[in-house]
Amino acid sequence: SQQGEEDPQALSIQEGENATMNCSYKTSINNLQWYRQNSGRGLVHLILIRSNEREKHSGRLRVTLDTSKKSSSLLITASRAADTASYFCATRRNNAGNMLTFGGGTRLMVKP
Amino acid sequence: ETGVTQSPTHLIKTRGQQVTLRCSSQSGHNTVSWYQQALGQGPQFIFQYYREEENGRGNFPPRFSGLQFPNYSSELNVNALELDDSALYLCASSLDRGAGTEAFFGQGTRLTVV
Repeated sequence: SQQGEEDPQALSIQEGENATMNCSYKTSINNLQWYRQNSGRGLVHLILIRSNEREKHSGRLRVTLDTSKKSSSLLITASRAADTASYFCATRRNNAGNMLTFGGGTRLMVKP
Repeated sequence: ETGVTQSPTHLIKTRGQQVTLRCSSQSGHNTVSWYQQALGQGPQFIFQYYREEENGRGNFPPRFSGLQFPNYSSELNVNALELDDSALYLCASSLDRGAGTEAFFGQGTRLTVV
């Protein structure tokens, strides 16, 4: 079973616009991570946010975490056509080693 | 490039057959995890190996088994293949099994069961 759910399931925007994806999860976590996947190939790690952190930035990416609401968001600013991919959130629970529990993903299409 | 390599990249098998998928972990990484990703879904954890021993298992039947070798490379074996086993199988290696360590994924093996 999957821990998280991403919202929306699919998102289509124009190049230059911002893209926001949301993730909800069910149990307490050690950290939450966002991954990107192109065309059903390998997962690329984007950013990790720990349970005691509220916001993190990496380049054009901004991630927030609200542990009281068990939710996270990923914002991609000034999107590019090359950002077209599926984006997944994954959680690591305490006492579960480094097993990742993934959501169903958001399929982002950025139109040139 | 993550340094994690999987082979083969694509595979077609017949229902009832057995399959072995291989993963070469990133240099220095002693932990390997396997995930199954059905089309249109997120990856699901199968199991993890730490220093050659199974160190956690997801909700998969015993016909899914694995091995980790002294060089920390790993195999995933699936017996009595079913149509629903068709999926992308992803391997991830990490420096250690702790919750704070980053996992690096390979490009996956696309298995089709007919």
